[in-house]
Amino acid sequence: KAGVTQTPRYLIKTRGQQVTLSCSPISGHRSVSWYQQTPGQGLQFLFEYFSETQRNKGNFPGRFSGRQFSNSRSEMNVSTLELGDSALYLCASSISRDWAWEQYFGPGTRLTVT
Amino acid sequence: EDKVVQSPLSLVVHEGDTVTLNCSYEVTNFRSLLWYKQEKKAPTFLFMLTSSGIEKKSGRLSSILDKKELFSILNITATQTGDSAVYLCAVGCNNNDMRFGAGTRLTVKP
Repeated sequence: KAGVTQTPRYLIKTRGQQVTLSCSPISGHRSVSWYQQTPGQGLQFLFEYFSETQRNKGNFPGRFSGRQFSNSRSEMNVSTLELGDSALYLCASSISRDWAWEQYFGPGTRLTVT
Repeated sequence: EDKVVQSPLSLVVHEGDTVTLNCSYEVTNFRSLLWYKQEKKAPTFLFMLTSSGIEKKSGRLSSILDKKELFSILNITATQTGDSAVYLCAVGCNNNDMRFGAGTRLTVKP
């Protein structure tokens, strides 16, 4: 079974621009979560989607948004990029097991804002 | 406020040693505890522990969950240099609301 895929893998943008990142979950996984990882802050939760609905949201400004499509694929968008948005953006897809969620990460998109 | 605390923050051992990594938590609506290994890329799933599966083992790695005392340990026996990584603990709550610890950086020296 194919793993979580993320595109693009690397991205360089300029301050003020916007960016859209894409994530395709493992087949059969209906929950998709997004995280930001930086050396200083570690792994920070952005949001989680299930059946096209955002169920959970982390403490990020409104410049960060996401959506999920009917095929469970997800996108996240960051508008008006700032230097501090440079990070590894990780998507994770989850499947329900034993009344809990088993989560697997994709390879990430490394975003550099200059 | 929900908390997931990992200890130690970093650890240096020699090949062949046995290590124990700790993860304690205080969360509402606990559902699961997950362990991940992260080298210079994305975290790799190791184990998920729940009320119906409080012990897991895979090769040299094993983990237990103590729901009464609210902690989990990850044990690695006969460590190898390839075990060098950051080990992340995450606690899953209702609706896949996941809380991550800061991680333990393990360095295994030859």
